[in-house]
Amino acid sequence: DGGITQSPKYLFRKEGQNVTLSCEQNLNHDAMYWYRQDPGQGLRLIYYSQIVNDFQKGDIAEGYSVSREKKESFPLTVTSAQKNPTAFYLCASSIVDEASNQPQHFGDGTRLSIL
Amino acid sequence: KQEVTQIPAALSVPEGENLVLNCSFTDSAIYNLQWFRQDPGKGLTSLLLIQSSQREQTSGRLNASLDKSSGRSTLYIAASQPGDSATYLCAVREGYQLIWGAGTKLIIKP
Repeated sequence: DGGITQSPKYLFRKEGQNVTLSCEQNLNHDAMYWYRQDPGQGLRLIYYSQIVNDFQKGDIAEGYSVSREKKESFPLTVTSAQKNPTAFYLCASSIVDEASNQPQHFGDGTRLSIL
Repeated sequence: KQEVTQIPAALSVPEGENLVLNCSFTDSAIYNLQWFRQDPGKGLTSLLLIQSSQREQTSGRLNASLDKSSGRSTLYIAASQPGDSATYLCAVREGYQLIWGAGTKLIIKP
């Protein structure tokens, strides 16, 4: 079945450590997105990519980095510069559609906590 | 700056009732509005997408309306069931970005 796979489901970070969250899709979508979800708040966009080897900062990119070396993969690194990383991280993908009628498809998320 | 608000934050109703969830936004210059469902600890599932030129969309027991001039959308759920219990989020599209509400947590009591 086509879909988006995020791993791991749970992740723990020590002080000063960088951690990488994996996101893989087999939907043949060009666009991929990373969101952060905190309790009582809407999702906030961290980074997005519309094509391989290109990505754009979202509203809260500080302390995060991404790469897009393959169409299927869009890993997110939470660096030690992100002082409040505890959150639920969601990856999404979509067709690049200027007509704006294609929904985003989501993975099941990774919950990141600080040790 | 676009802001999206969902009120109430939580709602509990008996099984079988029809109910309405609300979503409001501050800037009417949107491409579309989308409703999603999120089960606890899970990702999001797209329910309905309404283009800016449309007034409503229907899927099964769900009906979503859009009034751009007043900056409002509603999600109507008919004959609610315990399986409808989840958090419902709305999002408006501006360019390639989605701007999200914080969601309404819905509990359907058997």
